[in-house]
Amino acid sequence: DIVMTQSPDSLAVSLGERATINCKSSQSILYSSNNRNSLAWYQQRPGQPPKVLIYWASTRESGVPDRFSGSGSGTDFTLTISSLQAEDVAIYYCQQYYNAPVTFGGGTRVEIK
Amino acid sequence: EVQLLESGGYFVQPGGSLRLSCAPSRFTISGYPMSWVRQAPGKGLEWVSTISSSYDYTYYADSVKGRFSISRDNSKNTLHLQMNSLRAEDTAVYYCARALGGGRAANWFDPWGLGTLVTVSS
Repeated sequence: DIVMTQSPDSLAVSLGERATINCKSSQSILYSSNNRNSLAWYQQRPGQPPKVLIYWASTRESGVPDRFSGSGSGTDFTLTISSLQAEDVAIYYCQQYYNAPVTFGGGTRVEIK
Repeated sequence: EVQLLESGGYFVQPGGSLRLSCAPSRFTISGYPMSWVRQAPGKGLEWVSTISSSYDYTYYADSVKGRFSISRDNSKNTLHLQMNSLRAEDTAVYYCARALGGGRAANWFDPWGLGTLVTVSS
C-alpha cells in the first residue's frame, strides 16, 4: 500500500497569512497515461464530512475559493492557503488514488493564531 | 447541491451485524462507482469498499474483507454496506461517497454524505 505522510500535524496561522501543508507519498503517484499526479486534497471542518478541494494535485474543485492551491509532482505535494480566513479552520487530508487501496494522509489541523 | 444521506448506524455488540444504506439526491448511482469510507472517533480517514459502475465489481480493504459486503439497488437508487462479524475496531462514522476519476477502486471522492455512526461494544 502507498503510505501518505503529511506535515506538520498542526499549524496555527494568523488571519490573512499563508498556510502551507505538505504531503509525501511512499512512491511516485504520477499517472503515466495522462501525466497527472493522482492526488486529492480534502477539507474537513469540525462536525462535517470531508469536502474535496483539489484533485489531480492541482485542479481546484468548482466553487472552491482560489486562495486554495495545490502543487507538486511525483512524491511531494503541497496545499497552500494563500490568505487564511476564519472559515478555513479545519483538518486537511491528502489522498492518493494512483492505485488501490486508496490511502489518506494522517491529516493536518489548521487553526488561527 | 448533490447530497448523500446515510442510515443504519447503531450500537451493536461484537460479532453482530448491521446494514448501512445510502441514498443520494440529484444523481443516479448506477452511473457512478460508489464507495464507503470510515473515520474512527478522533482519527483519520480509511477507505472501506467500492462498487464499480459497471458489472458491479466490488473491492474491499483488507481490514473488512470477508466480513463486509457492498451492493447497490439501482431500482431504489440506494447503496448498501452489509457489515457482519463486527469488531470493536470497526467503530467509526461511515460515509458513503461518489467515486470519481475513472480508476478501478482508485478514485477521489465527491460528494460525501453526512455519515452514520457505528458503535461496536459490549
